[in-house]
Amino acid sequence: GAVVSQHPSWVICKSGTSVKIECRSLDFQATTMFWYRQFPKQSLMLMATSNEGSKATYEQGVEKDKFLINHASLTLSTLTVTSAHPEDSSFYICSALGLGGGNTIYFGEGSWLTVV
Amino acid sequence: DQQVKQNSPSLSVQEGRISILNCDYTNSMFDYFLWYKKYPAEGPTFLISISSIKDKNEDGRFTVFLNKSAKHLSLHIVPSQPGDSAVYFCAASARMDSSYKLIFGSGTRLLVRP
Repeated sequence: GAVVSQHPSWVICKSGTSVKIECRSLDFQATTMFWYRQFPKQSLMLMATSNEGSKATYEQGVEKDKFLINHASLTLSTLTVTSAHPEDSSFYICSALGLGGGNTIYFGEGSWLTVV
Repeated sequence: DQQVKQNSPSLSVQEGRISILNCDYTNSMFDYFLWYKKYPAEGPTFLISISSIKDKNEDGRFTVFLNKSAKHLSLHIVPSQPGDSAVYFCAASARMDSSYKLIFGSGTRLLVRP
């Protein structure tokens, strides 16, 4: 089946620094990618939707200047957490919707971010 | 406002029996529904989906039923196996405000007892 790869799988950064997480669709072109965040024992929360070549659409309450999303190509989207704080520590997951229709969305493996 | 609800946070089933996971939604614009399985510290894995034009979709041990009038869907796993123990999320999708939305329920933790 379709594969979505996320990197890094875990990262520790110092408070105040920025960290980038990559999301790649390995065997299909993804016109739309999604970024989710999950706190322990809670549901996946949609942060933003990104379409290739255009600005991301952020969900209410998500700071677009803090969570920068770039979808520069049909196979790559990046999430940059800027000026990270300990409360940004979470499990971040990306997913991708394939080109040419079909509503099945495949997820990356997820990235653990710990801000110390 | 929870548009997709999984009211049972957990479910325990004996191996070999049927597991039934339920999901309710409120937005009639949802036209596609998906079930995902998730292990701790991993991304969700797609299981099965159903379009709003159907009321049933079957794939091996997994069957999803959709009742549009009740805005309810369910995932049946039969026979249940210990390896099925995980958190199951239902998700609903639709085109809203010129963008594609995928909204998740809060998940149901399934435990299949040997």
